[in-house]
Amino acid sequence: GQNIDQPTEMTATEGAIVQINCTYQTSGFNGLFWYQQHAGEAPTFLSYNVLDGLEEKGRFSSFLSRSKGYSYLLLKELQMKDSASYLCAVRDSNYQLIWGAGTKLIIKP
Amino acid sequence: IAGITQAPTSQILAAGRRMTLRCTQDMRHNAMYWYRQDLGLGLRLIHYSNTAGTTGKGEVPDGYSVSRANTDDFPLTLASAVPSQTSVYFCASSVGENEKLFFGSGTQLSVL
Repeated sequence: GQNIDQPTEMTATEGAIVQINCTYQTSGFNGLFWYQQHAGEAPTFLSYNVLDGLEEKGRFSSFLSRSKGYSYLLLKELQMKDSASYLCAVRDSNYQLIWGAGTKLIIKP
Repeated sequence: IAGITQAPTSQILAAGRRMTLRCTQDMRHNAMYWYRQDLGLGLRLIHYSNTAGTTGKGEVPDGYSVSRANTDDFPLTLASAVPSQTSVYFCASSVGENEKLFFGSGTQLSVL
């Protein structure tokens, strides 16, 4: 079967750096997405990786290793507003999106 | 309006009743989707439409139906609601079928 694994919950301190991991086993690969979802709100797009390597976008970076079936989202200079769930999703060989259950990130002052 | 609008925001429904969740987008996106989100699970695709006039089944289509009469609207109908359909429902759209998704604000549905 197809599977996306992410930690259920993580805690970090304001101003620090946190890395949220995502591992996947899917039938084929056609790209990986990260979305942010604040409690009670809709998911919003953060990043997209289809080739190996690091994509940087301001305080957020996303890394992909296709050979390892692995990605991470790196958040720098954490702010209280970064408290949210972070969803990893992989597009498989049929171009269907497979979603992880999300990682709830708690930021403490 | 700008983006995707869903209605209602929340609804409590008696089991066996029929219910239509509305979704409208003004971005002229070709593809639209309906997802449900349950605690501890990833988003699950119910139905999708790659373009007006066409629809397809997702991962969990049973008990749901959709229509896509035009580009902007993509309603989701529960013909006879059951408690297992209690969930948060998100409508989403994308420029093309393989592009990033834009989500509506969601509908919290409780079936009692």
